[in-house]
Amino acid sequence: SQQGEEDPQALSIQEGENATMNCSYKTSINNLQWYRQNSGRGLVHLILIRSNEREKHSGRLRVTLDTSKKSSSLLITASRAADTASYFCATDASDYKLSFGAGTTVTVRA
Amino acid sequence: SQTIHQWPATLVQPVGSPLSLECTVEGTSNPNLYWYRQAAGRGLQLLFYSVGIGQISSEVPQNLSASRPQDRQFILSSKKLLLSDSGFYLCACLSNRGETEAFFGQGTRLTVV
Repeated sequence: SQQGEEDPQALSIQEGENATMNCSYKTSINNLQWYRQNSGRGLVHLILIRSNEREKHSGRLRVTLDTSKKSSSLLITASRAADTASYFCATDASDYKLSFGAGTTVTVRA
Repeated sequence: SQTIHQWPATLVQPVGSPLSLECTVEGTSNPNLYWYRQAAGRGLQLLFYSVGIGQISSEVPQNLSASRPQDRQFILSSKKLLLSDSGFYLCACLSNRGETEAFFGQGTRLTVV
């Protein structure tokens, strides 16, 4: 069964706008990760946030984690057409089972 | 960093035929290895994972099996493919050192006809 669930399923924004997507999970985690997938390709790691961290930045990416609500958000600022992709959250529980959500498909219009 | 080799990239197989997809890893030892299946426009379903040679955990009952004959080799197999086995199969590797990112292969698109 899937551990994480992303929201929304799809997002369409104008270039330059910010994109925000959310992820909820069910059980305790060691860390939460966000990945990006271009159509028909493998996933690429974007950012990892540990269970004792609340916020993390990497370039135009900002991730928050609320372990009390079992949720995380990914913010992409100043979006570009090249950000068009599907984004997945993944949780790593103590049994090393890496579970992914259903993903958010982001389309950035030029 | 780790590199995942996964082949073939695309495969068309008839119903009832066998399947063998291979995944090999470079740049790490004793990794955790994973097989995922992704239906079109959907998320990743974890099929199998392995924390060591000969150690396989199955997540969902299915027509597939996995084996890990060597530390950095993970194989996905089927004796007789079903139409429902069609999908995009991804191999992934996670260093067994703890909180690190997973590396993915480029995937195999399997179409069962």
